[in-house]
Amino acid sequence: GAVVSQHPSRVICKSGTSVKIECRSLDFQATTMFWYRQFPKQSLMLMATSNEGSKATYEQGVEKDKFLINHASLTLSTLTVTSAHPEDSSFYICSASGGKYGDSGELFFGEGSRLTVL
Amino acid sequence: GQNIDQPTEMTATEGAIVQINCTYQTSGFNGLFWYQQHAGEAPTFLSYNVLDGLEEKGRFSSFLSRSKGYSYLLLKELQMKDSASYLCAVKDSNYQLIWGAGTKLIIKP
Repeated sequence: GAVVSQHPSRVICKSGTSVKIECRSLDFQATTMFWYRQFPKQSLMLMATSNEGSKATYEQGVEKDKFLINHASLTLSTLTVTSAHPEDSSFYICSASGGKYGDSGELFFGEGSRLTVL
Repeated sequence: GQNIDQPTEMTATEGAIVQINCTYQTSGFNGLFWYQQHAGEAPTFLSYNVLDGLEEKGRFSSFLSRSKGYSYLLLKELQMKDSASYLCAVKDSNYQLIWGAGTKLIIKP
């Protein structure tokens, strides 16, 4: 299967700072990337869907000014958590689809990034 | 509304067989996925069903009945490493993925 790399895997930051998480598709062109948040013992919660070159589509209840998503190329999407607060502490996961996997709709997930805001 | 139901937790014995059920009510259907997720890690793809029937992949099989809105994941010859959460997800008419809450599978020796 395809490889999606997410970085950093863990980040600890102070309240009020901004954190950027990168998601890269290493061996296929990801026309669509998804960003999820997962709290302990809960399922994945879709935050936003981004298509290359377009503005991201945010799910209801997700603040677009707080969670900035950029999908400037077919291999890279970034999520920036601006002015992070302790309640933003969570496991953030990206997934990608497209290219030769577009027909099956199969998703490939990054390794996830655990954010802890002090 | 859209809904995916699967049991919260199941326990099985090493070497045995376990079946994890998933029922769904969604606006349209464009495929059903099963993912495995170990604690603290991202999900990994197990199977994709879009037509009725059984798909077998080694120790794992997935079944789909679109008329019943039902799927199951069958795990054979259980190993300790199979202890994980198993997520059922359905792609709806807008090609949006609707996720179940996941089934935590505990394997005992």
